[in-house]
Amino acid sequence: GENVEQHPSTLSVQEGDSAVIKCTYSDSASNYFPWYKQELGKGPQLIIDIRSNVGEKKDQRIAVTLNKTAKHFSLHITETQPEDSAVYFCAAKDSSYKLIFGSGTRLLVRP
Amino acid sequence: GAGVSQSPSNKVTEKGKDVELRCDPISGHTALYWYRQSLGQGLEFLIYFQGNSAPDKSGLPSDRFSAERTGGSVSTLTIQRTQQEDSAVYLCASSQTSGSSYEQYFGPGTRLTVT
Repeated sequence: GENVEQHPSTLSVQEGDSAVIKCTYSDSASNYFPWYKQELGKGPQLIIDIRSNVGEKKDQRIAVTLNKTAKHFSLHITETQPEDSAVYFCAAKDSSYKLIFGSGTRLLVRP
Repeated sequence: GAGVSQSPSNKVTEKGKDVELRCDPISGHTALYWYRQSLGQGLEFLIYFQGNSAPDKSGLPSDRFSAERTGGSVSTLTIQRTQQEDSAVYLCASSQTSGSSYEQYFGPGTRLTVT
């Protein structure tokens, strides 16, 4: 079955700097890759996603890139702000309905 | 519009007791998912519903866990004879369909503590 690895597990950046979180997946049949932001005591919130027929997608300060050949996908946050501090999860969906999640990255943006 | 709601938000129970966790999905969403998140960990898939049917229950950790969905809407996850290792946050998500629309939207979760 699908396996998703995520790194780093923790990331600390200065406000205004960029943050990059990377994930790899194992199942070449996976075709949908969402990213979720989870704040303390809340459920995960979908922030951006990408499908396998697209290499990059942007939404204001966040972007996701996908390299199907290498089975890598990454989240890029530019001009980070303190409110970006949270745990971020990547996930992959194969030909079934399941999302398989990475282990999460705790992002801290220092003011 | 209203998102996914879950109740209770917190539940403390004694080992050996049964608990019921409730999920109310987004109106019109036919697919519903239960996940478990242990402290500091990622999300572990438990079960998926399409309508009232559960085609895949393989993520349920033991036969103490069961779930049902009625009227294609509310779902209940039941844990019988709770154990300390059941302590976790139980998250519910819903999506429009399990086919071409992939986005899953999560509720706030139920934090279960077994003492």
